[in-house]
Amino acid sequence: EVQLLESGGGLVQPGGSLRLSCTASGFTFRTYAMSWVRQAPGKGLEWVSGIFGSGGSTFHADSMKGRFTISRDNSKNTLYLQMNSLRAEDTAVYYCARHTQQIVYYAMDVWGQGTSVTVSS
Amino acid sequence: DIQMTQSPSSLSASVGDRVNITCRASQSISNYLNWYQQRPGKAPELLIYSASNLQSGVPSRFSGGGSGTDFTLTISSLQPEDFATYYCQKTYNIPLTFGGGTKVEIK
Repeated sequence: EVQLLESGGGLVQPGGSLRLSCTASGFTFRTYAMSWVRQAPGKGLEWVSGIFGSGGSTFHADSMKGRFTISRDNSKNTLYLQMNSLRAEDTAVYYCARHTQQIVYYAMDVWGQGTSVTVSS
Repeated sequence: DIQMTQSPSSLSASVGDRVNITCRASQSISNYLNWYQQRPGKAPELLIYSASNLQSGVPSRFSGGGSGTDFTLTISSLQPEDFATYYCQKTYNIPLTFGGGTKVEIK
């Protein structure tokens, strides 16, 4: 079964850091691009970051540039999101999602269940 | 950045109704447009990719159309399980922007 399982969410103080993980199973991880998408409470979906299947190219939304870093370890079938300098407005459920191709310019056909991040003092 | 505008932001409809949701891009995005359904408390699910292609396993009452800047998601006969929020998303270039969503509620 194709599956994505996020972990690493929790409560963090403003200015703090957190690393999210997304473990993939049931498919050849290295052959698919991956993204992180977040959803603040009661709000819509917001694309955060994406990475090619090879890991050779990464992309971030402007509001996350310099604070968030996406990476992957294809030997461990795992996607990461390192989040630094966290703000209250980063509070959201964070989903990892698989693109249908090796590059990010295609739809996301598999989603994890999400991990919740709360930034508060 | 290319902006994605969905309309309406919400609608009320009855079981069996035909529903149309529109997504407009501020510049041409060819057919790099996808549609997702999200039920409360759940992760999004892909319905339509590349503007008009039905994702495997998605009921045929869902269809998508359009190209360039104007796109439509149609539900031909609304079913109880279709009451959810629908999002369009462009994957033409970075950022991979979502529309604001359309909440479909029971009339």
